[in-house]
Amino acid sequence: AQSVTQPDIHITVSEGASLELRCNYSYGATPYLFWYVQSPGQGLQLLLKYFSGDTLVQGIKGFEAEFKRSQSSFNLRKPSVHWSDAAEYFCAVGSRTGGFKTIFGAGTRLFVKA
Amino acid sequence: GAGVSQTPSNKVTEKGKYVELRCDPISGHTALYWYRQSLGQGPEFLIYFQGTGAADDSGLPNDRFFAVRPEGSVSTLKIQRTERGDSAVYLCASSRDRGSHYEQYFGPGTRLTVT
Repeated sequence: AQSVTQPDIHITVSEGASLELRCNYSYGATPYLFWYVQSPGQGLQLLLKYFSGDTLVQGIKGFEAEFKRSQSSFNLRKPSVHWSDAAEYFCAVGSRTGGFKTIFGAGTRLFVKA
Repeated sequence: GAGVSQTPSNKVTEKGKYVELRCDPISGHTALYWYRQSLGQGPEFLIYFQGTGAADDSGLPNDRFFAVRPEGSVSTLKIQRTERGDSAVYLCASSRDRGSHYEQYFGPGTRLTVT
């Protein structure tokens, strides 16, 4: 069965520091992979997605993620965090074979300190 | 342009009562999805509509949950005989069409509290 693991429940980084949020997935083949961000009172917003091709994916707000098949990982990175990046981040996997279900991880809450 | 809207934003109800949650998708989006997000968890798929029909309702937890989309736009999620375990944020999302179902746009959610 498909599953997504985000090992870190919460992370605190200083403003201006780099960020990496971890995501591991379990799936029989290469899935569709996504990162979403959820700010308080806001809907989920898609940051980036990987379907195929280049394994380094660029997204909005300066985020990027790298698909590593050998590690079943899709970690999210940002070189310099801004205070406005404080939010909940969700990694998600979608099936390539029929259906469309998207399975979300439990999320990582990012705190940014001045 | 308007995004996905959901009403009410908050709903408090007593155990055993019936509730309806409404979703207005982005105009022209033919695909609509409902998710449930419990505290500390990621969203969990409930049901997917393509047009007026439910293309996949395998995520509905039991027969107390039902959703409709009679005219292919607004959708209503209906929960009968609510239980305390139904307390969660219910999210709605829409996408332009079946082929772009992964380009989902989410609403702000309805927070349901069952007392």
